Amino acid sequence: GESVGLHLPTLSVQEGDNSIINCAYSNSASDYFIWYKQESGKGPQFIIDIRSNMDKRQGQRVTVLLNKTVKHLSLQIAATQPGDSAVYFCAETSAGGTSYGKLTFGQGTILTVHP
Amino acid sequence: DADVTQTPRNRITKTGKRIMLECSQTKGHDRMYWYRQDPGLGLRLIYYSFDVKDINKGEISDGYSVSRQAQAKFSLSLESAIPNQTALYFCATSDLGGQGKDTQYFGPGTRLTVL
Repeated sequence: GESVGLHLPTLSVQEGDNSIINCAYSNSASDYFIWYKQESGKGPQFIIDIRSNMDKRQGQRVTVLLNKTVKHLSLQIAATQPGDSAVYFCAETSAGGTSYGKLTFGQGTILTVHP
Repeated sequence: DADVTQTPRNRITKTGKRIMLECSQTKGHDRMYWYRQDPGLGLRLIYYSFDVKDINKGEISDGYSVSRQAQAKFSLSLESAIPNQTALYFCATSDLGGQGKDTQYFGPGTRLTVL
């Protein structure tokens, strides 16, 4: 079946560095992608999303890039802070049919930010 | 953020017992979801409901049942709990927004241990 996966399960960075978390997806029909942050003991929290008609979307200190040609998604965090330490998940869904609104989550990447 | 609440937050039970996990939301969303998360893995969809009269199986529905008592309430039941159902369970809600965006908002999770 279709899946969403992550290249790197763990990422360690120094405070102030930029972080890049990657995600590969296999469903060519996917048209909506979301990044979630999950802190210890909490539920996933929405960070940023992007639709397939866009290549890039920026938020506060975060940027999501989408490369539909190679089915790749990335989350860039600028000036990473200790509070950014968490597990980051990408998720995708596709418009239309019975799958719409159902998210498929990737495995997750553990981001650790060292002071 | 208490828009999505789950009870109980922690539960230890024995094999064969019937367990109900409850989820309530004040976001006014029509769509609700139940996921389970196992260590080192992403979230897997158990059941979802797009409105009060709509219930659908997710990818891992065996051994679970749900009830959508009202727009704001969605309960997950384990009819006869088994140890491999030990996991973190998350409820989520969403509202199909403009341009087909369907961001999901998660509750804090219920940690279930089946002995």
